[in-house]
Amino acid sequence: EAGVVQSPRYKIIEKKQPVAFWCNPISGHNTLYWYLQNLGQGPELLIRYENEEAVDDSQLPKDRFSAERLKGVDSTLKIQPAELGDSAVYLCASSSYRENTGELFFGEGSRLTVL
Amino acid sequence: EDQVTQSPEALRLQEGESSSLNCSYTVSGLRGLFWYRQDPGKGPEFLFTLYSAGEEKEKERLKATLTKKESFLHITAPKPEDSATYLCAAGGSQGNLIFGKGTKLSVKP
Repeated sequence: EAGVVQSPRYKIIEKKQPVAFWCNPISGHNTLYWYLQNLGQGPELLIRYENEEAVDDSQLPKDRFSAERLKGVDSTLKIQPAELGDSAVYLCASSSYRENTGELFFGEGSRLTVL
Repeated sequence: EDQVTQSPEALRLQEGESSSLNCSYTVSGLRGLFWYRQDPGKGPEFLFTLYSAGEEKEKERLKATLTKKESFLHITAPKPEDSATYLCAAGGSQGNLIFGKGTKLSVKP
């Protein structure tokens, strides 16, 4: 079974440019998460989806960040415009509410460098 | 405020030298304590979930334990391939997962 797939793995952009990250969760997983991980830090939640609904976006900087999960499957996280401080790894994860173990399955992440 | 603190930040061991990693938490309505392993350039990989004080789980050279305030990840006779960052996370009452900063473990042959 395929795991969580993220793309691109690496992205280098100039500040003020837009960038988008894509995530395909594990088939059947209704909960999808976007996390931000800075170097030497643990992941921090940006947004959590239950199916199509964003149930927790309290930590998402809404002035420049946006996310969508159309049809309750794939998700896209966008930053516009990017700032130097946005350089980090963006992790996508999914979980199954039905199994109710709380275990999250993470993708390999998208590493963003803003110059 | 919900908080998870891990110590030490980094740990260097010789192969075969057993030790423990600590995770202390302050989370209202804890719905699980999770341990993950993260290799460089990879996403975190699930290891254990603990739900109640006194619970223990084992996997190969790793054993996780839980009390009402903290969790320990015991590593017995580690090998170089156990080198990684170990992340602790607490499940909050709102369905969120609060991560600590991790402990970077290096095991030298």
